[in-house]
Amino acid sequence: AQSVAQPEDQVNVAEGNPLTVKCTYSVSGNPYLFWYVQYPNRGLQFLLKYITGDNLVKGSYGFEAEFNKSQTSFHLKKPSALVSDSALYFCAAVRGSSNTGKLIFGQGTTLQVKP
Amino acid sequence: GAVVSQHPSRVICKSGTSVKIECRSLDFQATTMFWYRQFPKQSLMLMATSNEGSKATYEQGVEKDKFLINHASLTLSTLTVTSAHPEDSSFYICSARDDGSGANVLTFGAGSRLTVL
Repeated sequence: AQSVAQPEDQVNVAEGNPLTVKCTYSVSGNPYLFWYVQYPNRGLQFLLKYITGDNLVKGSYGFEAEFNKSQTSFHLKKPSALVSDSALYFCAAVRGSSNTGKLIFGQGTTLQVKP
Repeated sequence: GAVVSQHPSRVICKSGTSVKIECRSLDFQATTMFWYRQFPKQSLMLMATSNEGSKATYEQGVEKDKFLINHASLTLSTLTVTSAHPEDSSFYICSARDDGSGANVLTFGAGSRLTVL
């Protein structure tokens, strides 16, 4: 079965420090990978995606993610965290050849950035 | 950029009544929309795929008679929770796929918080 895993329920980091939110996937074929952020009582906002090309993808708000095929990972990173980055982050994947648009979501990771 | 509007953002209803939630793509056409349910501090659970001009496709375990989906036009899908009960209380989120963009680019609505008393 295809799946996306976010092994950490919560990540705590001090403001100004680098942050990493982990994601691994199990998707057949070449995957399309996504990161979304959710603020309380809101929908999901798109951060970035990997479709093909450079393994390092840059997205909104200074976030970036690195696609690692050998480790089947797509970790989200930011060099310097802000308190306003505190939110719930979801990694998602879909089989590249699929035309259904049905994303498989990870469990979500709460990022807490402390001043 | 693409925007999806979801209405209402919050609704409170009595047990046994029906509630309709709308999902609109504001600046693009969407043949396909998706409805999700999210419990507190949990991930999104796909409920169904809404297809314009045809019946919705429901995920396993989702009651189609309970959660009626109508995709009336290329910009509007509605989810009706029929005979709502307290256990239906949840956060419902829709997403839409832009027909004019890549197949797997989704835009999400802001969600609708349903509380059934």
